[in-house]
Amino acid sequence: NAGVTQTPKFRVLKTGQSMTLLCAQDMNHEYMYWYRQDPGMGLRLIHYSVGEGTTAKGEVPDGYNVSRLKKQNFLLGLESAAPSQTSVYFCASSHGDQADTQYFGPGTRLTVL
Amino acid sequence: GENVEQHPSTLSVQEGDSAVIKCTYSDSASNYFPWYKQELGKGPQLIIDIRSNVGEKKDQRIAVTLNKTAKHFSLHITETQPEDSAVYFCAARANTGGFKTIFGAGTRLFVKA
Repeated sequence: NAGVTQTPKFRVLKTGQSMTLLCAQDMNHEYMYWYRQDPGMGLRLIHYSVGEGTTAKGEVPDGYNVSRLKKQNFLLGLESAAPSQTSVYFCASSHGDQADTQYFGPGTRLTVL
Repeated sequence: GENVEQHPSTLSVQEGDSAVIKCTYSDSASNYFPWYKQELGKGPQLIIDIRSNVGEKKDQRIAVTLNKTAKHFSLHITETQPEDSAVYFCAARANTGGFKTIFGAGTRLFVKA
């Protein structure tokens, strides 16, 4: 099992550009999450999904969109990147709700110039 | 909403000594408290968790204590080893308010050989 994988690992964007981050899990988990990690602020939930075809907003959803067309994949999109979106992005998945163990991917480091 | 404060932000100990990281939370409805370890360049990994019906939980050299009255919980690592060096995050989750696990800002632990 690969667990949770994320692509790409690194990316540099110019302000206004768009991109999609891909998260994939092979554990047949129902729940998937996108977090951002900024220095001194821990992890903050951007969006999450409780199953294929469903998504919901987390703590800091503005400027991001997500889709869960397949159970194993959870995509995070930035339509018009801003410097404030420079961060490390982590995807996670869990079998059940957030009281179950969350398994994190290795992260994507995004820089917006 | 929930707020989780974590102290200290940096902790340096000698190999073999104990390390203690403390967290406080604000939402009395929180009932699940996981601890994550993040090594350099990797995603966070769950190391231990505790639920509100338990006061203490131990797993080899790691223990977590919970004081619901005071709304604080702590991570204790005994007989520290250099491989314990990492960033540790506490988190809290309540059944109410949707799927929001709120993370502390993290503690960077250095174990000196």
